Amino acid sequence: GNSVTQMEGPVTLSEEAFLTINCTYTATGYPSLFWYVQYPGEGLQLLLKATKADDKGSNKGFEATYRKETTSFHLEKGSVQVSDSAVYFCALGGPYNQGGKLIFGQGTELSVKP
Amino acid sequence: DTEVTQTPKHLVMGMTNKKSLKCEQHMGHRAMYWYKQKAKKPPELMFVYSYEKLSINESVPSRFSPECPNSSLLNLHLHALQPEDSALYLCASSPPVGGGPGYTFGSGTRLTVV
Repeated sequence: GNSVTQMEGPVTLSEEAFLTINCTYTATGYPSLFWYVQYPGEGLQLLLKATKADDKGSNKGFEATYRKETTSFHLEKGSVQVSDSAVYFCALGGPYNQGGKLIFGQGTELSVKP
Repeated sequence: DTEVTQTPKHLVMGMTNKKSLKCEQHMGHRAMYWYKQKAKKPPELMFVYSYEKLSINESVPSRFSPECPNSSLLNLHLHALQPEDSALYLCASSPPVGGGPGYTFGSGTRLTVV
């Protein structure tokens, strides 16, 4: 079945460091891919998405490219801030018709120190 | 309106109580979801409604009873819960066909069962 694997955390970085959080997936068909962020005590916010191969999603300095050949959707940011401290979830969306499931990776906790 | 609104934000209930969680969206989405999330873990799918009909029940105990009165509203009725049911309950919605903005999550109801 479909699945998502994320790199384990927690990840601790200094402010202005480069961030990569790895995400790989297994899926049949042509899923959409998402990164969600969850700040402490809050719900999930969509950070970025990509709906087909070679699409690049970007938002708030974060980027991820849908790589079908490597089945990956790694999250990157060139310079992290303390305010980026959160849990990041990679997710795979099933078919939209009839209410597709959203399959999550295990989450990666990011802590950015001043 | 691009939001999913959940009420209440916090709920404390005894094991003999009956309570309801509410979710509302006005984005015209025809698929709505309930997820349960434990701290720092990925959300777990509970129910999916598509066009106001229950399409997926992930073997959730009967003490959780979903209801979709119309295309904008989703309820989760709670009865005789256990302390291990304490969690963040997230509602989400999505367009059922053709992609679009993807899944939108509410900020959740933090439930404590005492």
